[in-house]
Amino acid sequence: QKEVEQDPGPLSVPEGAIVSLNCTYSNSAFQYFMWYRQYSRKGPELLMYTYSSGNKEDGRFTAQVDKSSKYISLFIRDSQPSDSATYLCAMKSTGGGNKLTFGTGTQLKVEL
Amino acid sequence: EPEVTQTPSHQVTQMGQEVILRCVPISNHLYFYWYRQILGQKVEFLVSFYNNEISEKSEIFDDQFSVERPDGSNFTLKIRSTKLEDSAMYFCASSERGTGSSPLHFGNGTRLTVT
Repeated sequence: QKEVEQDPGPLSVPEGAIVSLNCTYSNSAFQYFMWYRQYSRKGPELLMYTYSSGNKEDGRFTAQVDKSSKYISLFIRDSQPSDSATYLCAMKSTGGGNKLTFGTGTQLKVEL
Repeated sequence: EPEVTQTPSHQVTQMGQEVILRCVPISNHLYFYWYRQILGQKVEFLVSFYNNEISEKSEIFDDQFSVERPDGSNFTLKIRSTKLEDSAMYFCASSERGTGSSPLHFGNGTRLTVT
């Protein structure tokens, strides 16, 4: 079983839709959960950063973590064509430095 | 907003040649990292670096790889004798602290093509 699993997509939605992106993981030591956005031929850009279980909201973005189910989500409200990118989930455990384990990324396309 | 900068954006080299990839981390950050992404695959950790020492490295980071902070601003990744399978995007990242509460900020990467 992979440490972090993420549906690669592609996921295509109309402008204005609510987008739900998800990752599952197997390592119960993961405590910090991140979502990065990656445009084509660019580096990962940090969107959301959460610790342990719960919700975090930032503008149109909401990150949810359910540690009991080992499941994290990113919701994008009122999606825009500029949200079209690959979304990467990433995780790390406490202690032992700052090494991130990434999912494969979900490619999202928001269409006019 | 401060950012991590990487040069060159694209490097083409022949198999067996040495390459040096360069990074300027965010100025008040103390921890530095290299990750790579082979085309179509996930981003993978290579190495973390703090206080002029390697903190942690992955199995990928073998004797062909080395990192250095030659001065107060640059952070480099050297590949001594490149192989075809080293072709990938290489991302530098930095963070203020080395703990889990300090997020990593990535540069835009160097695309390395080994022919």
